[in-house]
Amino acid sequence: DIVMTQSPDSLAVSLGERATINCKSSQSVLYSSDNNNYLGWYQQKPGQPPKLLIYWASTRVSGVPDRFSGSGSGTDFTLTISSLQAEDVAVYYCHQYYNTPRTFGQGTKVEIK
Amino acid sequence: QVHLQESGPGLVKPSETLSLTCTVSGGSINYYYWNWIRQPPEKGLEWIGYIYSTGTTNYNPSLKDRVTISVDTSKNQFSLRLSSVTAADTAVYYCARDGSGYQPWGQGTLVTVSS
Repeated sequence: DIVMTQSPDSLAVSLGERATINCKSSQSVLYSSDNNNYLGWYQQKPGQPPKLLIYWASTRVSGVPDRFSGSGSGTDFTLTISSLQAEDVAVYYCHQYYNTPRTFGQGTKVEIK
Repeated sequence: QVHLQESGPGLVKPSETLSLTCTVSGGSINYYYWNWIRQPPEKGLEWIGYIYSTGTTNYNPSLKDRVTISVDTSKNQFSLRLSSVTAADTAVYYCARDGSGYQPWGQGTLVTVSS
């Protein structure tokens, strides 16, 4: 199984400041035949299902604000919220769909400082 | 716009079988992979398995001996059966469509295992 490890487990950021979440996979999720990283990012608010924000490590889902961005390749990835808004308070998960079993990171809780 | 809705009992007794159905509306179930994912209370996400519209399945090895996922294309539904449940199977169960990440998701249904 590919183990996904996120850091930190939680972070508190002031409104308008940058929030950065890291995700490390235990093996590469870069598929050489198409040069895509099979890595996604989800946002989950209380009582709601997760919402896909980013796929292929850096492609934003239509309608997702451009303050959300994804970067990285191979085994190391980052989700950045460039200017934290109140509505961004949530738990964020990375997810690999490179192989099965599909696996998720343990989650990072983002709060307002 | 595709919409997914889980349905099934919210309470299952230990050692019995959990059965849930996901109904897909607003689009066809054909030509996609359909997943079950669960989330124990206050915990993270666990992938259970997927089924393609033709019936091909892939299960999480941690649950493989107890899981069956099936599809009924005539009803635009797919289903989950998890046998011999214990309290550790108490979770919100989600269905989701696969396509470079999971979207959309159903709202989820809480299944509690208790006598």
